[in-house]
Amino acid sequence: GEDVEQSLFLSVREGDSSVINCTYTDSSSTYLYWYKQEPGAGLQLLTYIFSNMDMKQDQRLTVLLNKKDKHLSLRIADTQTGDSAIYFCAEKWGSQGNLIFGKGTKLSVKP
Amino acid sequence: NAGVMQNPRHLVRRRGQEARLRCSPMKGHSHVYWYRQLPEEGLKFMVYLQKENIIDESGMPKERFSAEFPKEGPSILRIQQVVRGDSAAYFCASSPPGQGFQAFFGQGTRLTVV
Repeated sequence: GEDVEQSLFLSVREGDSSVINCTYTDSSSTYLYWYKQEPGAGLQLLTYIFSNMDMKQDQRLTVLLNKKDKHLSLRIADTQTGDSAIYFCAEKWGSQGNLIFGKGTKLSVKP
Repeated sequence: NAGVMQNPRHLVRRRGQEARLRCSPMKGHSHVYWYRQLPEEGLKFMVYLQKENIIDESGMPKERFSAEFPKEGPSILRIQQVVRGDSAAYFCASSPPGQGFQAFFGQGTRLTVV
């Protein structure tokens, strides 16, 4: 199947951690991605993880991958109001070819 | 190095007209992908092109839609005889040869059909 599932909304308070979850259905995915989209803007690549990794950390961002459960998460530490956006999970099969996107999780950060 | 450039950013067309969307990939990128985003939805793949070749068009509607990526110039997504259901944001992404796992997106073209 080609379904990437995400919860649609997440609301956190400024300074808290945010955890955005994603499940994908194809175990042959080679790369998994998190993109950020601000209102009226394009997609900004936040981070990606290769399928043979379990975790990747980049400053405030931590990506966890559980291949057995086909579960991907993005943790944003010390969430700021500027982090308010829609976050898309995506998977890719092989090194070329297209991405399969989830519907996005809208993160709202309250002061 | 400029990012992926799409133009126009906003396009309004009447039903039945043609829409032409342009995408200039990042310098050195020879792979271009087009995606469509309907309101409140994620991005759906449409077509994957390399210079002068369509590699995968499995996401393209069978009629009215076409894409090209000529040897010189930008990639063009063409929608003939537009209908209201074509209203969406159309995003282009590019990647360099051999590093297809890194796709960089443009700002998108928001098409409104009235």
